[in-house]
Amino acid sequence: GEDVEQSLFLSVREGDSSVINCTYTDSSSTYLYWYKQEPGAGLQLLTYIFSNMDMKQDQRLTVLLNKKDKHLSLRIADTQTGDSAIYFCAVGGPGGKLIFGQGTELSVKP
Amino acid sequence: GAGVSQTPSNKVTEKGKYVELRCDPISGHTALYWYRQSLGQGPEFLIYFQGTGAADDSGLPNDRFFAVRPEGSVSTLKIQRTERGDSAVYLCASSSGGSGNEQFFGPGTRLTVL
Repeated sequence: GEDVEQSLFLSVREGDSSVINCTYTDSSSTYLYWYKQEPGAGLQLLTYIFSNMDMKQDQRLTVLLNKKDKHLSLRIADTQTGDSAIYFCAVGGPGGKLIFGQGTELSVKP
Repeated sequence: GAGVSQTPSNKVTEKGKYVELRCDPISGHTALYWYRQSLGQGPEFLIYFQGTGAADDSGLPNDRFFAVRPEGSVSTLKIQRTERGDSAVYLCASSSGGSGNEQFFGPGTRLTVL
């Protein structure tokens, strides 16, 4: 079945850019997503990209998709302490169900 | 509120008991999904409803797990003869099925089986 992999931790300084990476195995997915989860809170949809796009920008967020390498990344510009959270990559599967990676914990140091 | 709601927020039960977890989706959303998130892991798909019917239940781990959505809105996830390994956060999401099929998640129910 589909497998989605993420590195577990990322630490950056406030004001720097953060880049969170994700690889997946199934190339038939139509949409790919990034979710944010803060402690004690639910999953918040940050952005998504259609599989025929290479890039999508939304304010401080930039999503890059390399279909050939099955690689998805999320770049957060000017990272703030409020961006500290766990970030999940998710790939749309059959029927729209989501297959999630294990999450990347982003730590932003002042 | 306008978001997905789940009750209870926390449920502690004893091994072998029966539990029901409830999800109220966003009004008008026809698709409803259940996921399970274990500590330190990403959510794992359990079951998906389109309207009243279960369109895909391939993620249910065994026949102790069952879910219903009788009127195409509220859904209940039912777990019989709970086991300690069922302890997790159970998440519900709903979608209008539009472009992007964006799924909006509830806060989850934390189930602890003692």
